[in-house]
Amino acid sequence: GDSVTQMEGPVTLSEEAFLTINCTYTATGYPSLFWYVQYPGEGLQLLLKATKADDKGSNKGFEATYRKETTSFHLEKGSVQVSDSAVYFCALTPVDQFYFGTGTSLTVIP
Amino acid sequence: GAGVSQSPSNKVTEKGKDVELRCDPISGHTALYWYRQSLGQGLEFLIYFQGNSAPDKSGLPSDRFSAERTGGSVSTLTIQRTQQEDSAVYLCASSTRTNYEQYFGPGTRLTVT
Repeated sequence: GDSVTQMEGPVTLSEEAFLTINCTYTATGYPSLFWYVQYPGEGLQLLLKATKADDKGSNKGFEATYRKETTSFHLEKGSVQVSDSAVYFCALTPVDQFYFGTGTSLTVIP
Repeated sequence: GAGVSQSPSNKVTEKGKDVELRCDPISGHTALYWYRQSLGQGLEFLIYFQGNSAPDKSGLPSDRFSAERTGGSVSTLTIQRTQQEDSAVYLCASSTRTNYEQYFGPGTRLTVT
């Protein structure tokens, strides 16, 4: 069945470091792919999305490219800030279903 | 506009009691989802409503769990005879059918003592 595998955490980085959180998926069709973020004490919110192969989603300096050939949707940011500390979830939706990864906790230290 | 709201925000109950959790989706959103997030775990899909179609109950962990959606809007998740392993944050999300982008509520933290 469809599924998402996400890089395990926790991840700790210094401010201004480069971030990559890996996400790979298994899907029979052509799903849309998402990254959600959960800041401490808050609900999940959409960070970015891509709906077809080679699409790049971007928001708040984060980027992820929908790679069909490697079935991946890795999240990247060139220079993280303390305010980026949160839990990040990769998700895919084929039709009428949502599959989430287990989440990757990121802590950015000054 | 108003987002997804959930109530109560926190619920402490004794083992064996029934609980009802409420979700108010964004107006006009036809799809509604319930998830469970246990400590240190990802999101576990529970149930999905789309318009007037029969709900997808494939994620409900046992027959103690049920959900309904009245008038295509408000939804109630009911857990009967609660167990300690039911302790978790229960999240509700809604979306339009067209783009599947989900908007989450703040969650209900359920503690079963």
